[in-house]
Amino acid sequence: AQTVTQSQPEMSVQEAETVTLSCTYDTSENNYYLFWYKQPPSRQMILVIRQEAYKQQNATENRFSVNFQKAAKSFSLKISDSQLGDTAMYFCAFTTQIYNQGGKLIFGQGTELSVKP
Amino acid sequence: ETGVTQTPRHLVMGMTNKKSLKCEQHLGHNAMYWYKQSAKKPLELMFVYNFKEQTENNSVPSRFSPECPNSSHLFLHLHTLQPEDSALYLCASRSYRGGGGYTFGSGTRLTVV
Repeated sequence: AQTVTQSQPEMSVQEAETVTLSCTYDTSENNYYLFWYKQPPSRQMILVIRQEAYKQQNATENRFSVNFQKAAKSFSLKISDSQLGDTAMYFCAFTTQIYNQGGKLIFGQGTELSVKP
Repeated sequence: ETGVTQTPRHLVMGMTNKKSLKCEQHLGHNAMYWYKQSAKKPLELMFVYNFKEQTENNSVPSRFSPECPNSSHLFLHLHTLQPEDSALYLCASRSYRGGGGYTFGSGTRLTVV
């Protein structure tokens, strides 16, 4: 079975500090895409960052970066210089069906992040 | 606004009612999805449509009936729902090129009374 596990239901961080959200996944496939999505109170699911499994280099998007450890099946998200607007639910997700546009996206349970002033 | 529009944003319905949720995208995507998001649970995939054809039904009860008349529109018809069906229903679409991120709507908050 393909699963995603986020072991931190809630986290908090002070504004301007750095926080890391954990994610592990399980698949027997060798090629897949990993994602972090952000869902603020507005409910909009927003793509934060994406990583292709065949790329060894960790993806970065401004203040967001990942630590992708393929052998360990780990995909953590680091948020630097945290801002109040980063307060949201964060979901880790992946799909193994990279060439199938109808491919399923499998989600973890989510981590609720609070950024405190 | 991401390009995926869902209506209505909120819906309250009785267990004997019939209602429909609507999802619309004009991103040129060919795959569309319905997800159910309940409190304290991971998002659950319900249905997948690929080029208007249903390719996935994740053991969803028949009181949920999807419809995809074209690649830009997706509906979820609801009838005789149960209170445990109360949740946020999210629609998503994905480019035919695959591998790309999925684009989500803001969801419909459904309450069954």
